[in-house]
Amino acid sequence: QKEVEQNSGPLSVPEGAIASLNCTYSDRGSQSFFWYRQYSGKSPELIMSIYSNGDKEDGRFTAQLNKASQYVSLLIRDSQPSDSATYLCAVNPGSARQLTFGSGTQLTVLP
Amino acid sequence: NAGVTQTPKFQVLKTGQSMTLQCAQDMNHNSMYWYRQDPGMGLRLIYYSASEGTTDKGEVPNGYNVSRLNKREFSLRLESAAPSQTSVYFCASSGNTGFYGYTFGSGTRLTVV
Repeated sequence: QKEVEQNSGPLSVPEGAIASLNCTYSDRGSQSFFWYRQYSGKSPELIMSIYSNGDKEDGRFTAQLNKASQYVSLLIRDSQPSDSATYLCAVNPGSARQLTFGSGTQLTVLP
Repeated sequence: NAGVTQTPKFQVLKTGQSMTLQCAQDMNHNSMYWYRQDPGMGLRLIYYSASEGTTDKGEVPNGYNVSRLNKREFSLRLESAAPSQTSVYFCASSGNTGFYGYTFGSGTRLTVV
């Protein structure tokens, strides 16, 4: 079992819809959770971080964390074509270990 | 702009040649990392440096060496490049063992022919 798993996609949604990206992780001791956005040919960019159970909203983005079920999700409301990118989930397992990255979900927002 | 700076952005090497990828950060971060990214493989950790003066192997260290020159700079060296090392290389840095995430450089696209 991979430590951090994401649906590889591709995921396509129409413009204006809600895009839902999901991630599960295996280490119950994980302490912090991140979503990175990576445009084609560019480097990963941190867009959301979440540290406690529940929802965290930032503009059109909402991160959701459920530690009991070991999943973290990212909702993108009112999706725009500019949101088309690969989204990487990353988990900090704690104990001074490195971030573990998922393989990414490719999102395409159709005009 | 503050952040992580990588050089060069592009490089073509012949098999057997050597080169050093440079990385510098100005965020006063303790930890620095080198990743490679290949299609379908995601980000794979090559080496990391938890703090100045220390370096450790990651998931795919074979064929690479690193030097943590000072707190700001962390270089990656390919002693004898192979076609299998064709990839995009990213440097990243973090404070506090990555609890608040990593900041990535813009990447180096390396082709070994």
